[in-house]
Amino acid sequence: DTGVSQDPRHKITKRGQNVTFRCDPISEHNRLYWYRQTLGQGPEFLTYFQNEAQLEKSRLLSDRFSAERPKGSFSTLEIQRTEQGDSAMYLCASREDYLAGTYEQYFGPGTRLTVT
Amino acid sequence: DQQVKQNSPSLSVQEGRISILNCDYTNSMFDYFLWYKKYPAEGPTFLISISSIKDKNEDGRFTVFLNKSAKHLSLHIVPSQPGDSAVYFCAAMRIYSGAGSYQLTFGKGTKLSVIP
Repeated sequence: DTGVSQDPRHKITKRGQNVTFRCDPISEHNRLYWYRQTLGQGPEFLTYFQNEAQLEKSRLLSDRFSAERPKGSFSTLEIQRTEQGDSAMYLCASREDYLAGTYEQYFGPGTRLTVT
Repeated sequence: DQQVKQNSPSLSVQEGRISILNCDYTNSMFDYFLWYKKYPAEGPTFLISISSIKDKNEDGRFTVFLNKSAKHLSLHIVPSQPGDSAVYFCAAMRIYSGAGSYQLTFGKGTKLSVIP
C-alpha cells in the first residue's frame, strides 16, 4: 500500500464554479478526515468519517461544502459556487481504528485549489 | 482562539547540533500529542507522538517531551541533519468518544533550517 492518495493535485477554477476532490485512504483505515490549510497556518479540521458515516463537521464547512464516503472507502469533497476565499490546500488523512492502539493520522499529498 | 501555539515561526541550527522545537497548548482536555513534518507541496508526515500518561517518547533521533502542568511539549532532534529542514507542526487531540474527539488541532508551524 502506497499511502493516502488525493486527486487532483492541483485545481484552478473560476469563481462560481463547482469543484470535487477525491481521497483514497490507506486500505483498511476506517477513519477518514478532511482538513484545509491556508498560507501560514496549520491544517484546520473540516470533517470526519467513520466508515461511511459522517460523524462531525466543522463550522468552517459552510453549506457550499459537502463530503461523502458512500462505500466506506474513498471519499469526495465538493465545493459549490467557489469563492476566492476557498483557495487553500485541501488535505485528507486516514487512521486505523482506535482499538489498534494508535491515533496517528496519515496524510495525503493534498489538493491545491486556486480560485480566480 | 489558538488552542495550540508554536511561538517561533522559524529556527536555524547548525548541522550536527540539537534542534529544539516548542509547542504550548491551552485546552486541558487534550491528551494525545503529535509532531508532523511538512515539505513544500506535500502533505504532513507523521514523526512522533506522545500520550498524556507519559512525559517522554523517543524514536531514533527524535524525542518528544511533555510537561502537562505547564501545558508544554517540545521536540528534540539530535543530531540535526540538512534533510531535517522543513516546517514542523505540533498537533493535539482528545482520545475519547464524543464531539471533537480524534480530530487534530494544529499549531501554525515552525520552519526549521539546518545549515550544513
